Amino acid sequence: SQQGEEDPQALSIQEGENATMNCSYKTSINNLQWYRQNSGRGLVHLILIRSNEREKHSGRLRVTLDTSKKSSSLLITASRAADTASYFCATLSAPKIIFGKGTRLHILP
Amino acid sequence: GAGVSQSPRYKVAKRGQDVALRCDPISGHVSLFWYQQALGQGPEFLTYFQNEAQLDKSGLPSDRFFAERPEGSVSTLKIQRTQQEDSAVYLCASSLGPGTYNEQFFGPGTRLTVL
Repeated sequence: SQQGEEDPQALSIQEGENATMNCSYKTSINNLQWYRQNSGRGLVHLILIRSNEREKHSGRLRVTLDTSKKSSSLLITASRAADTASYFCATLSAPKIIFGKGTRLHILP
Repeated sequence: GAGVSQSPRYKVAKRGQDVALRCDPISGHVSLFWYQQALGQGPEFLTYFQNEAQLDKSGLPSDRFFAERPEGSVSTLKIQRTQQEDSAVYLCASSLGPGTYNEQFFGPGTRLTVL
């Protein structure tokens, strides 16, 4: 079973624009993670936000978490061609990770 | 340093054949995980090892799936009598320790196609 549900399922934007992806989850969490997957580098951990945090930044990434709404968002600013990938939110049901279905992001030149 | 490696990267099997997928975790990593990722879906947990002990196999879809890690390092996922619904990418991940917040590092996966 999959815990998270990403929205939208697919997103195409022009290079340089910002991309926002949303995730809703079902059960209480200790933390929420975002991963990126592309053919070149496989599945890579991007950022983790703990349940007592509301926002976290890492480079061009900004993640928010609203535990009252059981939702999170991932914002990628100033998108680049290399950001083309699938993005998954994931929760931890220790020790395993439960992934959502993902958002497929395509950056147009 | 080397990351998680998996072999083969691609495998085509005829329905009914047995397959064995190999995972080499990062050296010294205690925990090892197998996930199955169907086309267009997120990875789904199959099984978890801590050293050589298989502590959780709740995600294995049937008794045709078997995983082992006899010496606490390399792991093999075996699928017997493969079916078309077994077609997927099989991902292996390892982490340094068994703790909740240990980051899992993923291998490139083995893409299995069952004809």
